[in-house]
Order: sequence, then structure tokens, then C-alpha cells
Amino acid sequence: EPEVTQTPSHQVTQMGQEVILRCVPISNHLYFYWYRQILGQKVEFLVSFYNNEISEKSEIFDDQFSVERPDGSNFTLKIRSTKLEDSAMYFCASSSTGDGYTFGSGTRLTVV
Amino acid sequence: AQSVTQPDIHITVSEGASLELRCNYSYGATPYLFWYVQSPGQGLQLLLKYFSGDTLVQGIKGFEAEFKRSQSSFNLRKPSVHWSDAAEYFCAVLPNAGNMLTFGGGTRLMVKP
Repeated sequence: EPEVTQTPSHQVTQMGQEVILRCVPISNHLYFYWYRQILGQKVEFLVSFYNNEISEKSEIFDDQFSVERPDGSNFTLKIRSTKLEDSAMYFCASSSTGDGYTFGSGTRLTVV
Repeated sequence: AQSVTQPDIHITVSEGASLELRCNYSYGATPYLFWYVQSPGQGLQLLLKYFSGDTLVQGIKGFEAEFKRSQSSFNLRKPSVHWSDAAEYFCAVLPNAGNMLTFGGGTRLMVKP
């Protein structure tokens, strides 16, 4: 069964550093998403991406965040200057029709 | 604003017992409805989804869910729980004109031998 692949599975970074989280969505999917889950809290929507542009973003997704689809297969989330409160599990998801998501297994980001 | 409520934060059941996890949503129109399961340290796996039609939906791993419009509920059920079902379960809704999933707070299921 097709999978959404995320790398790395765990990333530790120092506060203020830039991080890039990587995702390979399912190959024929057109919609891409990032969600995050702070430990013990709800899964929260960050951003959706379609047709090479952001289609929707949440209040969490401020200027520190950016997304990119640099080639035909990767979808990245960049955090420009990490803060302690950015520590969370970040999930990538993709969808072919916008209404049936497949999630990756997540990247656990720890900011120290 | 739309919201999803899972009233039970923790549930413990005995192996072989039946299970019902509750989910209520608040939204103007009937959204698309989902249940996901997350095992420790793992990603979110889709158990089942409801878009329209038959209000009783069958999913993977022997789970089913029933959509009740009058109660704005989408409760997840399993007739006989296995120890491997211990995990966190999330209900989620998607407006049928949007693309932002809203998750409930999750219910952690523990299974006693």
C-alpha cells in the first residue's frame, strides 16, 4: 500500500536554528498538508498546499514557517528560527481528492 | 467555529469486551467524519471514514462507526477488543467544502488482560 514517508523520524536542534522536515507524499496525490501534535495535546492543522501554493494555513503557521515542493516528489516544512515551543511531532499528509488523507509516521522535533 | 469533542480522555476495557468511543462535533452542515488510531510513537492510521450514504461504516481491524445526525455524533465501536487495540484514537472532521481536518482531543484506550 502506498505510504507517505517522513524524514528524519527524530530531530534535535538548538533554539534559534533552522530545521527542514522532509516528506515524500504518495506519488499521484495533489494535496499536501502539515500537522503538528505537541506532546499530550491535539493534532493541529498547520498548512495545506495545492497546485504549488498554500491553499490554507492556520494561525500557528506564522512567518517562521514555510513550505516548499522543491521537486516532483518532496514536500518540506522549514522552521526558520526554532523556539522551545516548536517541539512537537510533525505529521505530513497527502490526498488525491482533498477528502481522504494519508498521514506519514511523523518527525519528532525536539528543540533544546 | 467547528469543534470536535471526545468526552473520554482515558478508557480501560478488558480484552474481549466491547468498546465504544464517543465523538461529537459542532458544525453547521454535516462534515466528512474520520477515525484515526495512533500507536505509541507511530503515525496516524485511518480506521474508517464517513462521507454520505449508509450511516453505519465499516473500517479496518474490526472497527465500525455510526453517524447520527440528530446527535451530531460519530461513535466508534468494536464488539471484542484485542490487546493490540491499545492506542490513542482520534475523531476528526473535514468540512465538505474545505481541506482542514479538525481533530478531537483523543481517547487513550488501555486493554486489560
